[in-house]
Amino acid sequence: DAKTTQPPSMDCAEGRAANLPCNHSTISGNEYVYWYRQIHSQGPQYIIHGLKNNETNEMASLIITEDRKSSTLILPHATLRDTAVYYCIVRVPNNDMRFGAGTRLTVKP
Amino acid sequence: NAGVTQTPKFRVLKTGQSMTLLCAQDMNHEYMYWYRQDPGMGLRLIHYSVGEGTTAKGEVPDGYNVSRLKKQNFLLGLESAAPSQTSVYFCASSYPNWDREEAFFGQGTRLTVV
Repeated sequence: DAKTTQPPSMDCAEGRAANLPCNHSTISGNEYVYWYRQIHSQGPQYIIHGLKNNETNEMASLIITEDRKSSTLILPHATLRDTAVYYCIVRVPNNDMRFGAGTRLTVKP
Repeated sequence: NAGVTQTPKFRVLKTGQSMTLLCAQDMNHEYMYWYRQDPGMGLRLIHYSVGEGTTAKGEVPDGYNVSRLKKQNFLLGLESAAPSQTSVYFCASSYPNWDREEAFFGQGTRLTVV
């Protein structure tokens, strides 16, 4: 599986958009990009995933560059409850799922 | 719908003791995973299973064994616990179908080995 690089921490003001970057320069053609988050010490929670096209759901948007070497998770209106560690993962189908260190997002009032 | 349930939630073991952590899912998922998370670190994959009767090693398999005798259950065993195995253990399950692919996680088992 391709490895990912994320900034260790980011801050965001409450009500503003949070844009979390992820680099995955060695991603291969059949690898998907996934985002999970972990609030405090709870089990991780799925957010969104995509292959090539941008994706949006009720939680977030995922923007994948045309060359697929990087992506951005967007939380459109961050709230204090979005404070968490966000993990970007790339994986191939029928394979295991490995987490990196993630980005610790702190939403400030 | 309970999702993914881990048993027990907390446990303290003495060095050398053995124990089994149980993960149960009621979503008919094919894939199941065991992770450990040490303080301030991300999750590391211990073992995983792509179906009943199959298991595979992850990143940090040493000192652990697993079994998947029933599709809904994935057991993680520690034969001789060591202080280095003090951690929070998470179980997860998912479909292999990539259109529906999201993994669901349990709430974790906090294990302390003294």
